[in-house]
Amino acid sequence: EVQLVESGGGLVQPGGSLRLSCAASGFTSSSYAMSWVRQAPGKGLEWVSDISGSGVSTYYADSVKGRFTISRDNSKNTLYLEMNSLRAEDTAVYYCAKKSGRDGYYYYYMEVWGKGTTVIVSS
Amino acid sequence: EIVLTQSPGTLSLSPGERATLSCRASQSVSSSYLAWYQQKPGQAPRLLIYGTSSRATGIADRFSGSGSGTDFTLTISRLEPEDFAVYYCQQYGSSNNFGQGTKLEFK
Repeated sequence: EVQLVESGGGLVQPGGSLRLSCAASGFTSSSYAMSWVRQAPGKGLEWVSDISGSGVSTYYADSVKGRFTISRDNSKNTLYLEMNSLRAEDTAVYYCAKKSGRDGYYYYYMEVWGKGTTVIVSS
Repeated sequence: EIVLTQSPGTLSLSPGERATLSCRASQSVSSSYLAWYQQKPGQAPRLLIYGTSSRATGIADRFSGSGSGTDFTLTISRLEPEDFAVYYCQQYGSSNNFGQGTKLEFK
């Protein structure tokens, strides 16, 4: 069974940093692209970032480009999201998702989602 | 960037009724790259439909998707109590945009 478990969320001050992790199991990590998607309180879903199965190709929403970095360690079956220069508008539940194919960004849907981890940016 | 607009914002129906949810794109979307997700309160989204009309594994056949070009529809033939949730469409042919969601609530 495919499982995704996010961790690393918490309360951080504006301008601070946080690293999220997503532990994957039940599939060959390197064969699938992965995504981070966030949901602000009471709002809809916002795609944040994608990474290819190999980790070579990465993609970002304009709202996080230059501040967030997606990476993966396929030997540990773990996906990461390094978040810097955090703003109040980054407050959200962050979900990781397994995509349906190896390449990132587009042509593949999000077929399995984790339960999410909450990030609160506040002073 | 393709913008997806879902309607209605809220749909009030009763169990046993038929639900029709709409997703309209600002530009043509290849029907290969349109998905629908269901999200219940406090839970993660769940994939329902991909490629406009293919049901994901384990999804009941009362859920069906259709459409082409800029107009897509999710239909739930006979609502069950567990179907009351928020539904999002997503296009993944260029970027990964989501619609703003339709809340399906008890009437």
